[in-house]
Formats: sequence, C-alpha cells, structure tokens
Amino acid sequence: DGGITQSPKYLFRKEGQNVTLSCEQNLNHDAMYWYRQDPGQGLRLIYYSQIVNDFQKGDIAEGYSVSREKKESFPLTVTSAQKNPTAFYLCASSPGRVTEAFFGQGTRLTVV
Amino acid sequence: GESVGLHLPTLSVQEGDNSIINCAYSNSASDYFIWYKQESGKGPQFIIDIRSNMDKRQGQRVTVLLNKTVKHLSLQIAATQPGDSAVYFCAEWAEYGNKLVFGAGTILRVKS
Repeated sequence: DGGITQSPKYLFRKEGQNVTLSCEQNLNHDAMYWYRQDPGQGLRLIYYSQIVNDFQKGDIAEGYSVSREKKESFPLTVTSAQKNPTAFYLCASSPGRVTEAFFGQGTRLTVV
Repeated sequence: GESVGLHLPTLSVQEGDNSIINCAYSNSASDYFIWYKQESGKGPQFIIDIRSNMDKRQGQRVTVLLNKTVKHLSLQIAATQPGDSAVYFCAEWAEYGNKLVFGAGTILRVKS
C-alpha cells in the first residue's frame, strides 16, 4: 500500500543524546515536511523539503537537522542542542506545492 | 513565533447536532486551505479543502466556508456523531505555496 511510514512509533532516549527519526514515503511525492506537536497544542513546522538535496528551515528549526538524499526519505535528527525534545513528531509529504499533504502516524519521542 | 503554553479550545456538542469549527488564517496571499482531523495518537487526516476562488465547498456531512475579507474559515459538520470526536485543524499554504502552516486547532467533543 502507498503511504508514509514513520518509525519507530515510540522512542526513548537519554538527555544529551542525538536521535534520528525515520520518515519514508512511497507516494513519489516531491515535497516532505516535519512537524512537532506538544500535548494539547497545534502543529509547528520544523523543516521542509520541496525537492531532493534541498531543504529549508521552518518555524522551530533550532536543535534539529535533516537530510534529503533520496526522494522517498526525509530523516529528522533531534540533537542535544534541542532544549525540550520530548514531543510527538509528524512527517508529511505532498506531490508539490499547494496540494493535499499526507501524514504519517507519528513518532512519540520521550527524553529522560 | 512559538505558541508554547497555549492550549486548544474545546467545542462540546450533542450527538446529532451540527458543529461549526472556526479558524482564522494569517496570510492574505494564501490560496489553498485544508481541514484536517486528528484522532488521539495519530497523524492528521484530510477532511476537505477549498481554493481561494471559492466561498463554499461541500463534502459528505461536511461543508467548508471561506471568507477572504476577514481571513476566516469554518468547518461545518452535519449531524455530528461520536466518531467525529477529535482535534480539527485548518491549514494554509504560505510563502508562495512552499510551507503548509497549521492553525491552532479545536477539540470537538461529542456527547451521547
């Protein structure tokens, strides 16, 4: 089935460690996005990529890094510089600009 | 900027009643809007979209209204059912269609 796969669903890490969240899509979409969601709040854009080998910072990029080496993959690294990394992370993709975006099921990251 | 600390407003409706969820958007140049539904612990799901050359669009039990003059969107759900209980977000394509930006969201609770 076509879709967006985020893994793992739950992730626990010790404070000070970098951690990478996986996002893979087989929809042949050009654009991919990462959002952060805190409990009881909305979605905030971390990074986005409109095309392979290119990406831009969103509204809350500090403490995060991404790469887009392949069209189908857009991994997000949460670095030790992120002050409060515990959150629900959502990846999305779209065929291009100004179209429907499809979401994965999210990764819940807990830093202890 | 960040909206840390803000919590989502809640709309409580009786099963069978109609629901109206409102959203204010920020960018007068936005020309495509989407409503998403998010159930607990899951990624957002597409409900309905509307382009700026339209004032109204109807789907199955849902209607979206767009008022460009006051930059306001609304989602109307007819005959609300318990399965409609979720968080609802509006989203707009910003920065010339490069970024999908989400509104604050509304929690819909359906009372049986």
